Amino acid sequence: QVQLQQWGAGLLKPSETLSLTCAVYGGSFSDYYWNWIRQPPGKGLEWIGEINHSGSTNYNPPLKSRVTISVDTSKNQFSLQLSSVTAADTAVYYCARRDSSWFIYDFWGQGILVTVSS
Amino acid sequence: SSELTQDPAVSVALGQTVRITCQGDSIRSYYASWYQQKPGQAPVLVIYAKSKRPSGIPDRFSGSRSGNTASLTITGAQAEDEADYYCNCRESSGNLVVFGGGTKLTVL
Repeated sequence: QVQLQQWGAGLLKPSETLSLTCAVYGGSFSDYYWNWIRQPPGKGLEWIGEINHSGSTNYNPPLKSRVTISVDTSKNQFSLQLSSVTAADTAVYYCARRDSSWFIYDFWGQGILVTVSS
Repeated sequence: SSELTQDPAVSVALGQTVRITCQGDSIRSYYASWYQQKPGQAPVLVIYAKSKRPSGIPDRFSGSRSGNTASLTITGAQAEDEADYYCNCRESSGNLVVFGGGTKLTVL
């Protein structure tokens, strides 16, 4: 059974850099795209970006200038960095596995609430 | 960029049928998938590739597509189906991802 376990700092000050990591247990790491998706409190899902095992990335254009997604295949982990955060970046951040064939998110992490506050 | 539009809220009487829709240009080219999200939980995939269901999803959930509109139908809605539902699709460019704004389903 595939499990995604994520961790990172939950409280940031404005202008700091958000940093989260997601570890993948079970299943193939190389056959999928690994995604970050966020959800502001009381709002909908927003796709942040994705990476595959070889480091190829796609980013949501509105966030692209502030986002870096990286991968460590030796540990089956991938990470998100979001720079210059503001209160608008307060959200639950999810990592998720995207199936390449059907373009679906079939496994998700538990989610982490990241709050940006001075 | 491409957008997916959903009705913010829909209600259905217990045991009745409800359709939740998702409109967007990218749906003409790519199948949408549907996710159910209950409070405090991560989303769960319920329908993909028009009307495929992952293991464990009841067969009262089905999907369809017509033109630029994807639909999720729940036939015989149950109390446990009360949740937020999100559609998701590739953007028209093919490399990017877009989510609909979500539909809050209330089962009366």
